[in-house]
Amino acid sequence: DIEMTQFPSSVSASVGDRVTITCRASLDISSWLGWYQQKPGKAPKLLIYGSSSLQSGVPSRFSGSGSGTHFTLTINSLQPEDFATYYCQQGNSFSLTFGGGTKVEIK
Amino acid sequence: QVELVESGGGVVQPGRSLRLSCVASGFTFSHYGMHWVRQAPGRGLEWVAVIWNDGSYKDYVESVKGRFTISRDNFKNTLYLQMNSLRAEDTAVYFCAREEAMLFDLWGLGTLVTVSS
Repeated sequence: DIEMTQFPSSVSASVGDRVTITCRASLDISSWLGWYQQKPGKAPKLLIYGSSSLQSGVPSRFSGSGSGTHFTLTINSLQPEDFATYYCQQGNSFSLTFGGGTKVEIK
Repeated sequence: QVELVESGGGVVQPGRSLRLSCVASGFTFSHYGMHWVRQAPGRGLEWVAVIWNDGSYKDYVESVKGRFTISRDNFKNTLYLQMNSLRAEDTAVYFCAREEAMLFDLWGLGTLVTVSS
């Protein structure tokens, strides 16, 4: 199985900050990567697909980049509603696997 | 309204069985691969199982192979997960999710399964 390593596991930031989350795959997954946002007690929400494409309705302050084994999610100008946990997920092959998550907390 | 609604969770003793259901509405269910994803309390997301749109292909995470069975009824717009020989480590919220290019673009609210004596 492809292992997805995500870091940091948590980050403290203030409204207006830029936050960058990194995800590394144990094998080359090309651009088969998605990013999700999950708030407590809620289902995850797809933000980014194909490593860098913004899902419909997602604010443009979210962006993704990378290919192969190294990927990043950037949130520009953090908003109050962005405090949540973020997960990467590889869509290259079964078993589909997620990163361990990054909790974005208020500083 | 495009949505997925899971049901069937509850408290069950180790070794017993449970069947989860997920009813889809607002889209053509038979066009999409469907998955189950779970999340243990306070933990991350774990993919559990997939079934192709026509039911011709199924796959599972290693830890549930031989115990869980995914199925679907495209006439009833319903996805199922039959869970046998349940273990404490199967305790989680179980989400059904619609697939788009090996990612999950629509999720249900989840149903909690607790395996405890």
